[in-house]
Amino acid sequence: TQLLEQSPQFLSIQEGENLTVYCNSSSVFSSLQWYRQEPGEGPVLLVTVVTGGEVKKLKRLTFQFGDARKDSSLHITAAQPGDTGLYLCAGRGYGQNFVFGPGTRLSVLP
Amino acid sequence: DAMVIQNPRYQVTQFGKPVTLSCSQTLNHNVMYWYQQKSSQAPKLLFHYYDKDFNNEADTPDNFQSRRPNTSFCFLDIRSPGLGDAAMYLCATSRDHGSSYNEQFFGPGTRLTVL
Repeated sequence: TQLLEQSPQFLSIQEGENLTVYCNSSSVFSSLQWYRQEPGEGPVLLVTVVTGGEVKKLKRLTFQFGDARKDSSLHITAAQPGDTGLYLCAGRGYGQNFVFGPGTRLSVLP
Repeated sequence: DAMVIQNPRYQVTQFGKPVTLSCSQTLNHNVMYWYQQKSSQAPKLLFHYYDKDFNNEADTPDNFQSRRPNTSFCFLDIRSPGLGDAAMYLCATSRDHGSSYNEQFFGPGTRLTVL
């Protein structure tokens, strides 16, 4: 069974600060996705990474897939209150379903 | 806009009273998924349909069933809800199941309360 761990579990920062959250596994994934989920809503897809070492940028968000395709990171520059939410990573093994990590709950204070 | 729609957004049922949650999609995706998400936990896959082929997760209780009458609609039936079934139920779709670029798109969820 593939397992994903995310760290930190909770993060509370001031507006304007930078942060990085991590998604780790002992398994190799064919692809990995990051979602943001707000209370009472479904997860919204932010990015999909497929290639080991791949880096993708989405405005102030930078996503990296580990060289071995077992881990990923999400870096947010100059966080804003609108970034508040639950950040979920989901990995997919070859020919398998997605497995979600437990999430990092981010709170950005104005 | 193409999207995944879930109705109702909030559902209240009584212990043991059957309930059906619905999901529809305008994306024309082949795959539809149902996830259960409890408070402060990750979404947990219950089952998925690849077209008409039903795929149940090994640890999904028999109390949970699903129907997909056509490409656009998928239903989650809970035959005898227990208090432990109170959760957010998320429907998701993807174009296919085999590609590494396969992406899932989620609906807004239905929050189920069991009294």
